Amino acid sequence: GAGVSQSPSNKVTEKGKDVELRCDPISGHTALYWYRQRLGQGLEFLIYFQGNSAPDKSGLPSDRFSAERTGESVSTLTIQRTQQEDSAVYLCASSIRDGGYYEQYFGPGTRLTVT
Amino acid sequence: LAKTTQPISMDSYEGQEVNITCSHNNIATNDYITWYQQFPSQGPRFIIQGYKTKVTNEVASLFIPADRKSSTLSLPRVSLSDTAVYYCLVARNTGGFKTIFGAGTRLFVKA
Repeated sequence: GAGVSQSPSNKVTEKGKDVELRCDPISGHTALYWYRQRLGQGLEFLIYFQGNSAPDKSGLPSDRFSAERTGESVSTLTIQRTQQEDSAVYLCASSIRDGGYYEQYFGPGTRLTVT
Repeated sequence: LAKTTQPISMDSYEGQEVNITCSHNNIATNDYITWYQQFPSQGPRFIIQGYKTKVTNEVASLFIPADRKSSTLSLPRVSLSDTAVYYCLVARNTGGFKTIFGAGTRLFVKA
């Protein structure tokens, strides 16, 4: 079946603009994660959704970052008033359930460049 | 969840066995050890998971001592294509916990 897809694959935006990143998880996966990866760095947890439970937003770096998920399907990560330090690859992953015990399947990522 | 510590980088040559050790001193009873591999410009992919003793699959082996405070990922006879970042995670088998990947170990395989 289809894997996790993300769009756009690349996004260049000017400082101060808002951007929206999209993630389509694997069908039937109730857990969805967003991570940020700066150049040469490890993965930084941002937020995860599990079914209809309240999302864990503990990794969002500031109130300029927000994310939504419609049921157990698509998710969007929004970054308002982008800053140059927001430049990174944003990775989305989904798994059958949350908790990390279950294998996470990653999308190809969205490379965000803020100029 | 228990914090993990692993070497920042390692070098190896083609055909050698590579062992990457991860420490997780505060691992809990319900925690499993999970390893992911990330190639450049790709998202990580799961390679192996274990609870205790030894687990082997077509890609790697995972050795976990009885106290479970560390684990070793073993890659047999590495090739250039095994150059990647390897992440050690501690994952609980119940819900409600986020996953922390950390910085990982950068493995460079030379010809």
